[in-house]
Amino acid sequence: EAGVTQSPTHLIKTRGQQVTLRCSPISGHTSVYWYQQALGLGLQFLLWYDEGEERNRGNFPPRFSGRQFPNYSSERIVNALELEDSALSLCASSLWIRVPSYEQYFGPGTRLTVT
Amino acid sequence: GENVEQHPSTLSVQEGDSAVIKCTYSDSASNYFPWYKQELGKRPQLIIDIRSNVGEKKDQRIAVTLNKTAKHFSLHITETQPEDSAVYFCAASGSGGGADGLTFGKGTHLIIQP
Repeated sequence: EAGVTQSPTHLIKTRGQQVTLRCSPISGHTSVYWYQQALGLGLQFLLWYDEGEERNRGNFPPRFSGRQFPNYSSERIVNALELEDSALSLCASSLWIRVPSYEQYFGPGTRLTVT
Repeated sequence: GENVEQHPSTLSVQEGDSAVIKCTYSDSASNYFPWYKQELGKRPQLIIDIRSNVGEKKDQRIAVTLNKTAKHFSLHITETQPEDSAVYFCAASGSGGGADGLTFGKGTHLIIQP
């Protein structure tokens, strides 16, 4: 069974630019979660998508957004990049059928560097 | 919202000894508590989890205990080996199950001394 995949693996952007990061969940999983792992800040919850809709978001500004496609893959978009957006962007997938499965499995991450 | 505290931030043990990492949480409605292991440059890997209706769970050399009254849970690793060296994260899921995402502790860097 293929795990969660993410692309690209590394990305370098300039402050003020926009970036799009991609995630494909484990086959059969319907939920995608996005987390950010910045140095010294641990893993922080950003967004939760299930069945194509944004279900919840963490305490982050509106320039952080995303979407989920009919095949359950997801994109995370950051507008107006700031230096402090430099981090490892992680997505995780889970199965949510009425009663949530809870277990979340992570992808390898995208290392985003903003200069 | 949920807040998770994790201690210690760094733990060094001799190979073969046991290691214990402790976490506390704030939301009494939280009902799911996973532990992740992250090796340098790798993704976090789910190693064990416990739900709020269980007090203890074991899987070979690792075990997790949960005290709902005190709102704390712990990871126990016995007979530590060099490959156990990594950063370990505890997490808690609020009353909405996965709806709130997972709230993570800051991590414990476990170092196994040969």
